[in-house]
Parts: sequence; structure tokens; C-alpha cells
Amino acid sequence: DVKVTQSSRYLVKRTGEKVFLECVQDMDHENMFWYRQDPGLGLRLIYFSYDVKMKEKGDIPEGYSVSREKKERFSLILESASTNQTSMYLCASSRGQGREKLFFGSGTQLSVL
Amino acid sequence: GENVEQHPSTLSVQEGDSAVIKCTYSDSASNYFPWYKQELGKGPQLIIDIRSNVGEKKDQRIAVTLNKTAKHFSLHITETQPEDSAVYFCAASITGYSTLTFGKGTMLLVSP
Repeated sequence: DVKVTQSSRYLVKRTGEKVFLECVQDMDHENMFWYRQDPGLGLRLIYFSYDVKMKEKGDIPEGYSVSREKKERFSLILESASTNQTSMYLCASSRGQGREKLFFGSGTQLSVL
Repeated sequence: GENVEQHPSTLSVQEGDSAVIKCTYSDSASNYFPWYKQELGKGPQLIIDIRSNVGEKKDQRIAVTLNKTAKHFSLHITETQPEDSAVYFCAASITGYSTLTFGKGTMLLVSP
């Protein structure tokens, strides 16, 4: 069965901390994505990667960076967490150039205090 | 870039009724339109999708219609059941060129 695993379901961090959110997929998918989900704002793309060591900015990349050293793993990094980054973070993966048919993880609810 | 508007934001129906969620898109080049269902505590899951060369697609109680001229597409759920209660997202993209742009979501509540 297809699986996208996010390392934490809930995370609480302090303002200014460096935060790592990890995502692993077991489907050998080329593409991986990080979305942010906020009430009333839907799903907004932060970054995506279509290959190892490759990354592309999404709609809201400010304050975030990503790392993809291995095909199955995609990390989202908050260099200096701020309260406005409190949100649900969703990782997804997909196969091929179409970047369609996304498979999502269950999400990480991050609270920055 | 693409802009996807989704309505309504919340929808309450009685079990057995039909539910319709509508989306409009701005980029006439968009050719792929999926719908995702997000149950409580889970990530979104693809439930049905349609491409621009097709006007309608059905899968059991779920159907999606596309009007390219008007740039809108809709999700139709018939004979709703309590387990249909979830948040539904529409999205649009250009195959092989852009990533998905999502609507803001519709919370569907089906009362027994």
C-alpha cells in the first residue's frame, strides 16, 4: 500500500528555534511536495522537488527551506520559527512529469509559541 | 498564475440527499481537474479526476462535470452517507507544466 509518512503528528516549538519536518515515501516517486494548510486558506504550496537535490519554490516559500538528499526523503526546514508559521504541514508525493495524483501524509500540526 | 475559487465553504445535507460543490478556474490552459477528500485527522486523498477532453466522469455515487467554456467544474455526490462528511478540495493544473492549485475547500456535513 502506498505510504507517505511524516515524522511527527504534533510539534511544539519556541519562536526563533530551527525546526525540521521530515517526510518519507515508499513509492519511488520522483516528485515530493510540502503544503501548508490553514483554515479558510486551503492548501498552499511551499516548496516541491522533482528529483534528488532539486527544488522549486511554491507560492509561499518565505521563511522556509527544503532538503532532498535521497529520493524517498524530503525535509522542510524553518530556519527561525515564528508564530505565524503555526499551521498544519502536509507532505505529498507523485509519480512522473505530470505532477498529478498526489499522495498525502497525515500531516504535522506545528505550534510555535 | 492559476486561481481556483470553490463554493460553498460549508454544506450541510441530510443523509440520502445529493451534494454539489462548484469550482471555477482562471487559466484557460488548465487541463487537469482532481478532487480530494480529507477526513478528520488525515491527509487529503484523491477521489476522482477529470481531464479537459472529457465533459463528465462517474465513479459509483461520485461524478464530476467540466464546462471548459465557462471554466468551471463541479463535484456531485448522490445518496450521501455520514461517511461522506469531510473537507473536499478541488484543484487545477496544466499537465506536465504546473503544480496543482487548490481551492480553499468545502466542509460537507451529512446528518443521519
